[in-house]
Amino acid sequence: NAGVTQTPKFQVLKTGQSMTLQCAQDMNHNSMYWYRQDPGMGLRLIYYSASEGTTDKGEVPNGYNVSRLNKREFSLRLESAAPSQTSVYFCASSSEPRTVGNQPQHFGDGTRLSIL
Amino acid sequence: GEDVEQSLFLSVREGDSSVINCTYTDSSSTYLYWYKQEPGAGLQLLTYIFSNMDMKQDQRLTVLLNKKDKHLSLRIADTQTGDSAIYFCAESMNNAGNMLTFGGGTRLMVKP
Repeated sequence: NAGVTQTPKFQVLKTGQSMTLQCAQDMNHNSMYWYRQDPGMGLRLIYYSASEGTTDKGEVPNGYNVSRLNKREFSLRLESAAPSQTSVYFCASSSEPRTVGNQPQHFGDGTRLSIL
Repeated sequence: GEDVEQSLFLSVREGDSSVINCTYTDSSSTYLYWYKQEPGAGLQLLTYIFSNMDMKQDQRLTVLLNKKDKHLSLRIADTQTGDSAIYFCAESMNNAGNMLTFGGGTRLMVKP
């Protein structure tokens, strides 16, 4: 079972370059999420998509855009990368928009992004 | 706003019990979670507890919730070297729908 798949696993960019991070899930989940993980800060929500066709801002949306391409895929785009966006990015999915105990979020393995 | 805090580091000997602590500030939390992250991997859900419970046991894992003090703990019995990882607590709130707020993570090191 693949679960949540993220590509690429690693990427180095120069300041000002653009980049799209891809995420796909094969669990027929309705909701998908993008987080960034920085040392000592846990995960912070960038954007989420409660269902196909909808997207909403999370805690730290500035500098990012998202597209919910279809039910399976949710991409994250950096239009003009900045060094402050160096981080590990995680995609997650859940069956329902409300995060309840027996319908938790499932995570991909992450994309490690460095911006020089 | 919500704030979830954890200590950064815990070191135990193999076979001992580990207790990882977490405090949160939002009293409207509905579910509280423990996730495990191994090096180079995503977060794996370990267990969760509903806010009207005060304890949940799942094999070697025991979750204790003190709602009055807004304190959550994860006890791992008979800790093994394979338990070495970063452990995150997270809370979700009914009125925030799909938002999860994570703590900064506790790195557990298990010495042989």
